[in-house]
Amino acid sequence: SQTIHQWPATLVQPVGSPLSLECTVEGTSNPNLYWYRQAAGRGLQLLFYSVGIGQISSEVPQNLSASRPQDRQFILSSKKLLLSDSGFYLCACDGSGNTIYFGEGSWLTVV
Amino acid sequence: GENVEQHPSTLSVQEGDSAVIKCTYSDSASNYFPWYKQELGKRPQLIIDIRSNVGEKKDQRIAVTLNKTAKHFSLHITETQPEDSAVYFCAASRRDSSYKLIFGSGTRLLVRP
Repeated sequence: SQTIHQWPATLVQPVGSPLSLECTVEGTSNPNLYWYRQAAGRGLQLLFYSVGIGQISSEVPQNLSASRPQDRQFILSSKKLLLSDSGFYLCACDGSGNTIYFGEGSWLTVV
Repeated sequence: GENVEQHPSTLSVQEGDSAVIKCTYSDSASNYFPWYKQELGKRPQLIIDIRSNVGEKKDQRIAVTLNKTAKHFSLHITETQPEDSAVYFCAASRRDSSYKLIFGSGTRLLVRP
């Protein structure tokens, strides 16, 4: 079964600073990869998904971007963070038969 | 696009009672319906799922039912225990290559001892 590594686990960033969250997957090849965001006490919002290297689909207009430079690497970035970017960011990967599994998540606080 | 509505937003039950959470989806092409449990500060964990060719699935104290005609599905937890307390999310995805899940807004379940 696949393993999803996500880092950093927590970070506190000032408004206007850049962001880079990284996700790597082990135990599978050519996975679909996803970035979800969860605001405090809220639901899971799909931000980006990727079906292959260099292929990124954005679900909502926002201050963030995603890249997939390698088959099992997915990166979430921002050039200038906003307060509203604070939240719990979850990388996810699909397994067999549509099942999606989540990484441990990254807590981002923008101050 | 796909929309998934979930209710209730909060649910409080006595230990030993049953809990039912309901979801409706908008995309008739959806064919996969998982349920996730999220404990405070942790990632969502898959607890049960159902596909559109099945009407009901059960795993010990947890069951899920699907009504394709009405486009709704439900999670049933019987003999609830305090450790069932968490936020539960339903989700739906359609039969295409992306398998992207669209989530409901979540139900906070509290099981009172």
